[in-house]
Amino acid sequence: ETGVTQTPRHLVMGMTNKKSLKCEQHLGHNAMYWYKQSAKKPLELMFVYSLEERVENNSVPSRFSPECPNSSHLFLHLHTLQPEDSALYLCASSRGTFAYEQYFGPGTRLTVT
Amino acid sequence: KQEVTQIPAALSVPEGENLVLNCSFTDSAIYNLQWFRQDPGKGLTSLLLIQSSQREQTSGRLNASLDKSSGRSTLYIAASQPGDSATYLCAALSGGGADGLTFGKGTHLIIQP
Repeated sequence: ETGVTQTPRHLVMGMTNKKSLKCEQHLGHNAMYWYKQSAKKPLELMFVYSLEERVENNSVPSRFSPECPNSSHLFLHLHTLQPEDSALYLCASSRGTFAYEQYFGPGTRLTVT
Repeated sequence: KQEVTQIPAALSVPEGENLVLNCSFTDSAIYNLQWFRQDPGKGLTSLLLIQSSQREQTSGRLNASLDKSSGRSTLYIAASQPGDSATYLCAALSGGGADGLTFGKGTHLIIQP
């Protein structure tokens, strides 16, 4: 595997389910990000991790819970989501959080029913 | 708060034409500006990264310029091809980097064969 990978690629879940999105980067980077892309809205930053510590939480509801166990892996735990949370969730990584190029994964298409 | 605007929202041109995509940002205190390509239902592919100290970057048929003082960037595509059809996104990195990228809504480009 190379670059940034995300699993699953597609996910359908009910509002009472609990699921997790996984991101893995094979680039030796130290920073990882979660972004949300909703229809007709710009990509929005959700969380930033640098060296496994969360440095940014962009006012995201608590039903989204990130976890970064090491610099190569990033998870987004989901519980009691709403239909408006249906979106494409993109993970990215970079060498650091300051002025470095970000590399994106293919995304997870989430549908909440 | 940084805001990024892309004009036009959509563009359709015949194959072979040279074209310019525009991006503007409200806070000139950026660290870098990145142009991405997104194919339908897919993640983002990084095209060009311009650091704040640079004026332009080139990669093949693509040339991106940056004018921080006026808050503008342009992506120039030479000799367009049907394979260039995609949504093009620009994103600005500001706020010390920990804020992540701020994206525009993108320009949906169609190159007619």
